[in-house]
Amino acid sequence: NAGVTQTPKFQVLKTGQSMTLQCAQDMNHEYMSWYRQDPGMGLRLIHYSVGAGITDQGEVPNGYNVSRSTTEDFPLRLLSAAPSQTSVYFCASRPGRDVDTQYFGPGTRLTVL
Amino acid sequence: GQSLEQPSEVTAVEGAIVQINCTYQTSGFYGLSWYQQHDGGAPTFLSYNALDGLEETGRFSSFLSRSDSYGYLLLQELQMKDSASYFCAVREGNQGGKLIFGQGTELSVKP
Repeated sequence: NAGVTQTPKFQVLKTGQSMTLQCAQDMNHEYMSWYRQDPGMGLRLIHYSVGAGITDQGEVPNGYNVSRSTTEDFPLRLLSAAPSQTSVYFCASRPGRDVDTQYFGPGTRLTVL
Repeated sequence: GQSLEQPSEVTAVEGAIVQINCTYQTSGFYGLSWYQQHDGGAPTFLSYNALDGLEETGRFSSFLSRSDSYGYLLLQELQMKDSASYFCAVREGNQGGKLIFGQGTELSVKP
């Protein structure tokens, strides 16, 4: 199993550009989440999904959209990038409600100029 | 809303024991878990407590007291490779789908 994969690893955007961060998992996990991590900060939850077709907001959802059309994929869309969105983005998955073991992808390092 | 408090930094020497505390305020508590992160890489799962008491996994143990909304991670026989950031996290929200993390504790292990 590849586990949780994220693309791209690095990205530089200009203010106002849009882009999609890709996330896929091959473990048939129900739950998937997106986090951002800023220097010296913890992981802040952006959006999460408890199954295909079901998404919900986390702690810092503004400026981001998600969809979950399949169990495997959970893309994160930045609608109009802002410098405040410069961060490291982690995608994660876990089997389901009663399992706390969450698996993280390697992260995408995004810089918005 | 929810909040988790943990110390920002802890320093200890090789071979020692260190305890990292976590207090939380949350609605719909499902359990407390701990994650380790080296140098900004992918966090990895360490331990989970749903019920009060101590869970032991090798050199690492985790404790939970639900009545006190408090838990800790205990690291024994510290090694240099244990230098990392440690995060506590709680599950809540729609079907327990939200896993919310604390700010993290940076552990430095000195020789």
